[in-house]
Amino acid sequence: AQSVTQPDIHITVSEGASLELRCNYSYGATPYLFWYVQSPGQGLQLLLKYFSGDTLVQGIKGFEAEFKRSQSSFNLRKPSVHWSDAAEYFCAVGAGQAGTALIFGKGTTLSVSS
Amino acid sequence: EAGVTQSPTHLIKTRGQQATLRCSPISGHTSVYWYQQALGLGLQFLLWYDEGEERNRGNFPPRFSGRQFPNYSSELNVNALELEDSALYLCASSSQTDTQYFGPGTRLTVL
Repeated sequence: AQSVTQPDIHITVSEGASLELRCNYSYGATPYLFWYVQSPGQGLQLLLKYFSGDTLVQGIKGFEAEFKRSQSSFNLRKPSVHWSDAAEYFCAVGAGQAGTALIFGKGTTLSVSS
Repeated sequence: EAGVTQSPTHLIKTRGQQATLRCSPISGHTSVYWYQQALGLGLQFLLWYDEGEERNRGNFPPRFSGRQFPNYSSELNVNALELEDSALYLCASSSQTDTQYFGPGTRLTVL
């Protein structure tokens, strides 16, 4: 079955500390992977995506993610978290062509403490 | 470049009524997707429209329907509203790649 698992429902990180959000996927075809962020009451903003090539991808707002095929993982990282990063983060997988329904994880809520 | 826009922002209906939600894709995008984000259920794929045709639908009953207009904007219609239809409805658009860009959503509340 195709699925995305985000094991951490809620994470609290101190401002300035590093962050890693976990994502594991199960997908029958070559996976195309995405991270989106959602602020309260808002839509989804694309942070970064992986289609092929270099397994370490850079995104907006200082985020990066590493694709590890052997572990079926696509973890999101940021070296220094800012208070404005507090939001809900979603990992998603698709098939890499128009019309593919994205399969989303349940999301990880990030809180940032001062 | 303008992003995906959705209207209305909020919509309140009573059980049994019909709701119409609207979406305008990013200029140049021909595909429009609808997703439902209901509390406790996460983000679920509803419908995909491309070049004016419904191309794929998720596991939702037929009372969820829609259309895509010649300018690629789209409407989602939900008939015979039920309480569990209360959710944030997100529209996304894409070009020929799989990268979907999302709008701000319409919050539908069914009383």
